[in-house]
Amino acid sequence: RKEVEQDPGPFNVPEGATVAFNCTYSNSASQSFFWYRQDCRKEPKLLMSVYSSGNEDGRFTAQLNRASQYISLLIRDSKLSDSATYLCAVNFLSGSNYQLIWGAGTKLIIKP
Amino acid sequence: ETGVTQTPRHLVMGMTNKKSLKCEQHLGHNAMYWYKQSAKKPLELMFVYNFKEQTENNSVPSRFSPECPNSSHLFLHLHTLQPEDSALYLCASSQVASGSTDTQYFGPGTRLTVL
Repeated sequence: RKEVEQDPGPFNVPEGATVAFNCTYSNSASQSFFWYRQDCRKEPKLLMSVYSSGNEDGRFTAQLNRASQYISLLIRDSKLSDSATYLCAVNFLSGSNYQLIWGAGTKLIIKP
Repeated sequence: ETGVTQTPRHLVMGMTNKKSLKCEQHLGHNAMYWYKQSAKKPLELMFVYNFKEQTENNSVPSRFSPECPNSSHLFLHLHTLQPEDSALYLCASSQVASGSTDTQYFGPGTRLTVL
């Protein structure tokens, strides 16, 4: 089983709709969680951090389910500019250092 | 945004060439990272430097050689690469490499093609 798994998509969603996708992780000791967005041929950029049960920022809501070991990202009222690949990253303690393990990303396409 | 810069942005090299990638961060961070990103694969951590000391070498082949002269600069020296090394090489920085809530910020990457 991969340490961090994401549905690669693509998710094709009409503009204005609500879309959600999950990221599952295997290490129950994971401490913190991140969603990044990556536009085509660009670098990943931080979207949201999740340290407790969840986080909300405008149209974006991230939720953490520790019991089932997944985090979700919900995007409301989707815009054309939301089209991107969304990367999940999970931070956990390995020895004496924290390591960030990445998912392969979920591709989202918002259609007019 | 100029928090983390990388040069060159694109590089084409032959298998016998020697080249170097450069990364500079202007965020006052103490940790720097090299990642490799291949199509449809997760980001692969290559090296971690914390306060100029290498703390992670993720079984990277010796044809990749990192150098961190100070907390703001990071290099990746390349020699005798293989075509499968073609990828996007991303540099990132964070406050420290040992924090549980540490957030990483990325440079724009160098798209490397090995012929």
